[in-house]
Amino acid sequence: SAVISQKPSRDICQRGTSLTIQCQVDSQVTMMFWYRQQPGQSLTLIATANQGSEATYESGFVIDKFPISRPNLTFSTLTVSNLSPEDSSIYLCSVLPGGYTFGSGTRLTVV
Amino acid sequence: GIQVEQSPPDLILQEGANSTLRCNFSDSVNNLQWFHQNPWGQLINLFYIPSGTKQNGRLSATTVATERYSLLYISSSQTTDSGVYFCAVEDLSGTYKYIFGTGTRLKVLA
Repeated sequence: SAVISQKPSRDICQRGTSLTIQCQVDSQVTMMFWYRQQPGQSLTLIATANQGSEATYESGFVIDKFPISRPNLTFSTLTVSNLSPEDSSIYLCSVLPGGYTFGSGTRLTVV
Repeated sequence: GIQVEQSPPDLILQEGANSTLRCNFSDSVNNLQWFHQNPWGQLINLFYIPSGTKQNGRLSATTVATERYSLLYISSSQTTDSGVYFCAVEDLSGTYKYIFGTGTRLKVLA
């Protein structure tokens, strides 16, 4: 299965700023997804990152808040913009095929 | 959309005990996976099991798709089994999106 490198592993950010998270895969993959896990909660899908086109966002998530890029079949970024304490979560990227494989996650704390 | 409920929400075991975790889903699905999230947050894929039974060491899983549930069995539990167990289902939309269950938080005591 694919090996995913996700950076940064953790960060503490000031409210009002932005954080960009990178997801690098060691092989070309067709599908890449971004998830959010709020403290003590399950995972919620933010969006599907589409190569060469705009991401497909789930209900409750908007491009202005969570802009996503996917310039090729091995790389994607998620930016969390205009941070507030409610954005404190773990953010994870995952890929297909072969069953979901997850990156190690980015633990974001907003102060 | 599909609802995915897991039970029990919390479970405490003595090392060496056996346990069964359950995942119920509200509609037909294409696929189902079980994950273990360790205390450091890493998600590990345990089983890819849309139907039938699979075994991997002390772990096994059974999915009965027609009755919309899946079971994860942990035998002879170890402290390293602690963490949160999630099931996730892929709906029939053809978009390959997975919906995660509510999770079971397991703590194994030495």
